[in-house]
Amino acid sequence: GNSVTQMEGPVTLSEEAFLTINCTYTATGYPSLFWYVQYPGEGLQLLLKATKADDKGSNKGFEATYRKETTSFHLEKGSVQVSDSAVYFCALSDLRGSGGSNYKLTFGKGTLLTVNP
Amino acid sequence: SAVISQKPSRDICQRGTSLTIQCQVDSQVTMMFWYRQQPGQSLTLIATANQGSEATYESGFVIDKFPISRPNLTFSTLTVSNMSPEDSSIYLCSVAGTTGANVLTFGAGSRLTVL
Repeated sequence: GNSVTQMEGPVTLSEEAFLTINCTYTATGYPSLFWYVQYPGEGLQLLLKATKADDKGSNKGFEATYRKETTSFHLEKGSVQVSDSAVYFCALSDLRGSGGSNYKLTFGKGTLLTVNP
Repeated sequence: SAVISQKPSRDICQRGTSLTIQCQVDSQVTMMFWYRQQPGQSLTLIATANQGSEATYESGFVIDKFPISRPNLTFSTLTVSNMSPEDSSIYLCSVAGTTGANVLTFGAGSRLTVL
């Protein structure tokens, strides 16, 4: 079956440091890949996505490239801010069902990022 | 994207009782999903809530334990029945987005603690 493995946290960085959160996946087909972010007290929000190999998703200074050869989708940001403190989830989608009528996301366990001023 | 409101945001429950979680969406959506996040674990799909028909449950989840209602296109409930401490989790409601069928929007979650 499908699975997602992401680096365990917590990760603590100083403001303006470089961020990498590793994510690797196992899938039987050709999944779409996502990074979701959960700020304190809020629901999960889509941060970025990539739907095919070599696609790069980007948003709010974050980037991740869909690497089929290494089955990876690592999240990076060149200079983190205190406001980036949150839990980050890597996920993949498994489009199932007749006519695409059923969907399932497989998530990693989440990585807590704390950025100190 | 849709805005999702979940109630309660958190609760402390006694073993053997049941609790119903409500999920309200600010727009009509076809597909609603319920996820569980156990402590230290990733999110796991419980079921897909279908309007006008029974929910579709994932392996390991059954209707008697997690009955779901979906009376209209903006509302759903999940009941956690006969709770035990192992049911202590965050329960999240989500809906499929309009920007991409496999892009989900989530509520803030309902954190249940069972004593």
